Amino acid sequence: QVQLVESGGGLVKPGGSLRLSCAASGFSFSDYYMSWIRQVPGKGLEWISYMSSSGGAIYYADSVKGRFTISRDNAKNSLYLQMNSLGAEDTALYYCARRSWESSGYYFDYWGQGILVTVSP
Amino acid sequence: QSVLTQPPSVSAAPGQKVTISCSGSNSNIGNNYVSWYQQLPGTAPKLLIYNNDKRPSGIPDRFSGSKSGTSATLGITGLQTGDEADYYCGTWDGSLKSVVFGGGTKLTVL
Repeated sequence: QVQLVESGGGLVKPGGSLRLSCAASGFSFSDYYMSWIRQVPGKGLEWISYMSSSGGAIYYADSVKGRFTISRDNAKNSLYLQMNSLGAEDTALYYCARRSWESSGYYFDYWGQGILVTVSP
Repeated sequence: QSVLTQPPSVSAAPGQKVTISCSGSNSNIGNNYVSWYQQLPGTAPKLLIYNNDKRPSGIPDRFSGSKSGTSATLGITGLQTGDEADYYCGTWDGSLKSVVFGGGTKLTVL
């Protein structure tokens, strides 16, 4: 079965950096676009980035552009998010999600359990 | 402020029907497929509807989706207490070059 497991979260000081990882299993990872989506506890979903299956296409939300970098290692079935210059506004639960497609429609069909990132002095 | 507009909350009695609206614009809903996600308390979102009106395997036909112009609607019939959750719509926005979600709707089954 499809599994996505995030790791690497925790407490970091403002201005600091953190690298999240997402280990994928149960499907052909190299065939799928992958994405990071975050959620401030008690608030709504915010898409922050996705990367194409080969890594050739990358998109970021304006809120993280220039500070966050998405990457993947298809040999290790892993997705990453390097987060730099972190601020309090980046405190959230971060989800790794698989993006699927059908007839030019795109959607997130599998999500990880989420990993909490807290930015605080 | 979310790009897609959803009502903050809806409620209905067990067994009844409820609809949740999602309003956008031509740059998002008007020209792209819509998906819906259910987030039960303390859990990750789960895909409920994709491509406006399709249900993934395992999703009961009590859940339905539709789209008209720049708005989409999620319908839930035969409400159960287990349906109490937050529901989000999502789509691609061609102008923002970004995936956008609605602010979420909390469903209460009274």
